[in-house]
Amino acid sequence: DQQVKQNSPSLSVQEGRISILNCDYTNSMFDYFLWYKKYPAEGPTFLISISSIKDKNEDGRFTVFLNKSAKHLSLHIVPSQPGDSAVYFCGVMNRDDKIIFGKGTRLHILP
Amino acid sequence: DAGVIQSPRHEVTEMGQEVTLRCKPISGHDYLFWYRQTMMRGLELLIYFNNNVPIDDSGMPEDRFSAKMPNASFSTLKIQPSEPRDSAVYFCASSLFSGRYNEQFFGPGTRLTVL
Repeated sequence: DQQVKQNSPSLSVQEGRISILNCDYTNSMFDYFLWYKKYPAEGPTFLISISSIKDKNEDGRFTVFLNKSAKHLSLHIVPSQPGDSAVYFCGVMNRDDKIIFGKGTRLHILP
Repeated sequence: DAGVIQSPRHEVTEMGQEVTLRCKPISGHDYLFWYRQTMMRGLELLIYFNNNVPIDDSGMPEDRFSAKMPNASFSTLKIQPSEPRDSAVYFCASSLFSGRYNEQFFGPGTRLTVL
């Protein structure tokens, strides 16, 4: 049973608009959340994270929102740029420090 | 630093053959992780090591899979015998410490195709 769900396998967004990637998790014990970004033929790279004591973390064009009651987090990219086209993995952690990743969402930024 | 190095980058083999994937972590990193990426299951953790000692291998799918870390600069993931359903991209990652706030750095991956 999947503990981390990224229900949109792919998403297309116009350049300059906002991209919103969503992630749902099942276990309220998870207390740290991450997003990794992956380009073709490369390994994933860390993008942004958030602790469960916060509901928002911002880093430049990237903002992660956490809704603990809904067990939902989202990644907002504003404005979207062509270089943002990639696969985005949502990850969650609990106290055993392992990252559990979702299946990923492929983001296409359209010119 | 060269980052995490994995070899080979691509491997094509026939069912029943032994496959060995190799990883060199970033120097000084105490943690090493092996992941597998498939369309069906996404990115899943197979096993991780701390100071060359396996800590958690609960993600290893079957006894056909084994991993070793004989020293701080080298790890292998072996599949024997290989099956077509093992076809996937296998990533190695390393980190300085474990847990939150400690970024895992991934290698470029090995794309394995078992015919």
